Amino acid sequence: EVRLVESGGGLVQPGGSLRLSCAASGFNSNIYWVTWVRQAPGKGLEWVAKINQDGSENYYVDSVKGRFTISRDSAKNSVYLQMNSLRDEDTAVYYCTSGGEAAYWGQGTLVTVSS
Amino acid sequence: QAVVTQEPSLTVSPGGTVTLTCGSSTGSVTSGHYPYWFQQRPGQAPRTLIYETSNKHSWTPARFSGSLLGGKAALTLSGAQPEDEADYYCLVFYSATGVFGGGTKLTVL
Repeated sequence: EVRLVESGGGLVQPGGSLRLSCAASGFNSNIYWVTWVRQAPGKGLEWVAKINQDGSENYYVDSVKGRFTISRDSAKNSVYLQMNSLRDEDTAVYYCTSGGEAAYWGQGTLVTVSS
Repeated sequence: QAVVTQEPSLTVSPGGTVTLTCGSSTGSVTSGHYPYWFQQRPGQAPRTLIYETSNKHSWTPARFSGSLLGGKAALTLSGAQPEDEADYYCLVFYSATGVFGGGTKLTVL
């Protein structure tokens, strides 16, 4: 069974950090780009970042540049999103998506930034 | 950053046809923007329906089709079913960076 499982979400104070993980099983995610997408409560989807197969290319939405870093570990078939200097507006469910043409999505992990 | 626009809400009758559109603040949406369409039902993760303008995944019902129409990306639903009631999002790419539209809430009534 193909699965993408996000983890690492939780409650963090403004200015804090979190590291999200996206673990793939049932397919070789190492041959695909992986993208993080977020959705604030009651709002639409927002494209956040993506990374290529060997980790040599990455791209970010302007609002997270310099604060978030996407990386991957091919041995673990996993992708990570290191989030620093978190703000209230980063509160959202974070999804990862991968596979050919965004075929697969995880169920998301909730990040809440609040004092 | 470019802004991608969708109709906030649309209503279609069961068995009817509706077209959702996706426009760009930078001009016409073309195949070079590699438009995608996603369906999201309440409480669920998104599901990819259409990629690169008009290509379907194996799970995409045949009643959904993607195209370019009047300078916009379009998702047409022909023969709406009750289970098609959901939020629909388009995604377009500007170089390597993606931008989602604000989403269309589709009601089947």
